[in-house]
Formats: sequence, C-alpha cells, structure tokens
Amino acid sequence: DVKVTQSSRYLVKRTGEKVFLECVQDMDHENMFWYRQDPGLGLRLIYFSYDVKMKEKGDIPEGYSVSREKKERFSLILESASTNQTSMYLCASTGGAGRTDTQYFGPGTRLTVL
Amino acid sequence: KQEVTQIPAALSVPEGENLVLNCSFTDSAIYNLQWFRQDPGKGLTSLLLIQSSQREQTSGRLNASLDKSSGRSTLYIAASQPGDSATYLCAAGGDTDKLIFGTGTRLQVFP
Repeated sequence: DVKVTQSSRYLVKRTGEKVFLECVQDMDHENMFWYRQDPGLGLRLIYFSYDVKMKEKGDIPEGYSVSREKKERFSLILESASTNQTSMYLCASTGGAGRTDTQYFGPGTRLTVL
Repeated sequence: KQEVTQIPAALSVPEGENLVLNCSFTDSAIYNLQWFRQDPGKGLTSLLLIQSSQREQTSGRLNASLDKSSGRSTLYIAASQPGDSATYLCAAGGDTDKLIFGTGTRLQVFP
C-alpha cells in the first residue's frame, strides 16, 4: 500500500515564525502536491512538483514556498507565518507523469498560527 | 476555469437506504473524475477513479458514473451503514495532473 506521511498532525506557531511542513511518500511517486483545506472553500492547491528540484505554483502560492531535494520528500515552507495561514494542510502524491492518476493523501497537519 | 460543485452539502439518512451524491463540473474537457472519502480531522481516501473514456466504476457497495457531456458525476451508495458517515469529495482531473475539488457532501447515516 502507498503510504504518505506528514511530519506533524498538529502544530502551533506564532506570527512571523518560519514553519516547515514535511511530506514523505514511500512508493517512488514522481508527482507530489500540497493543498490547504478550509471550511466552505474546500481543498485548494498551493504548490506541486513533477520531479526532484521541480516546482509549479498552484492556485494560492502566495506566502508559501516548497522544496523537493529528494524524490520521496516534499516540504512546504511558510516564510513568515500569519494568522490567515491557520488551516489544515494536506500532502498528496501520484504515480506517473502526464495523465492524472489516483492521488494518495497523507493524514494532514492542522496548523494554528497565533 | 474549472469549477466543481457538490449537492447537497449535507445529507442525513437512516441505515439501509440507497443514496446518491451529486457532482457537477463546468469544463467537460476532463481526464478523469475522482471520488474521495474524508473522515473528520483526517486525510482523504480514494474511493473510485473514472477515466474520461469510461462511464462508470464500481467498488463493493459504491458505484460512480460519469457523463462528460452534461458535466455530471454521481456516487451511488447501496444499503448505507453508519460506518459510511463521512464527507465525500469529488475532484475533476485535467491534463496537468492537478485536481479541482468540490466542497464535499457531509453524510450522516444513523442507526
């Protein structure tokens, strides 16, 4: 079975802090994604990556950056956390490049910024 | 720009009922349509994926259909059980591996 893990289930940070959220998948998937989920807004794509060291902006990249130094690991970085970044963050991965495949999700990180 | 809508937003049914969840999308040029389940505070679990060339997919008591021309997909759950209580999300897949999600239908099945 595909396994996608996220570094923390719950995280509390202060405004202005630099925050790292990490995601690891164990199935050699090429594509990885970061979403945030907010009530009434659903899941929105922040960034995605098709390969190591490659990244593409999603629909809401402002205030975020990403890093993919190894194929299995995709990190989301909040350079200077703000209260409007309080949200549930979900990581996902898929197997192949090109056509969309089933996305496998991690358990999520609930981030609170005070 | 693709938009995905799910109706109803919430549904409460007695155990044993057959039910239908609806998903509509504005751009019919999709590569696939995926259905997910999400339990409270958890990640998403993939239920069914329908490729654009397919009309339906089945898994156990779940059946999902796709009508690209009308921009609709339905998820049919047979003989619902309390364990089916969760939020169900549909997502339209385009040619860049990105998914556009609906906001979900929150289902409660009571004994």
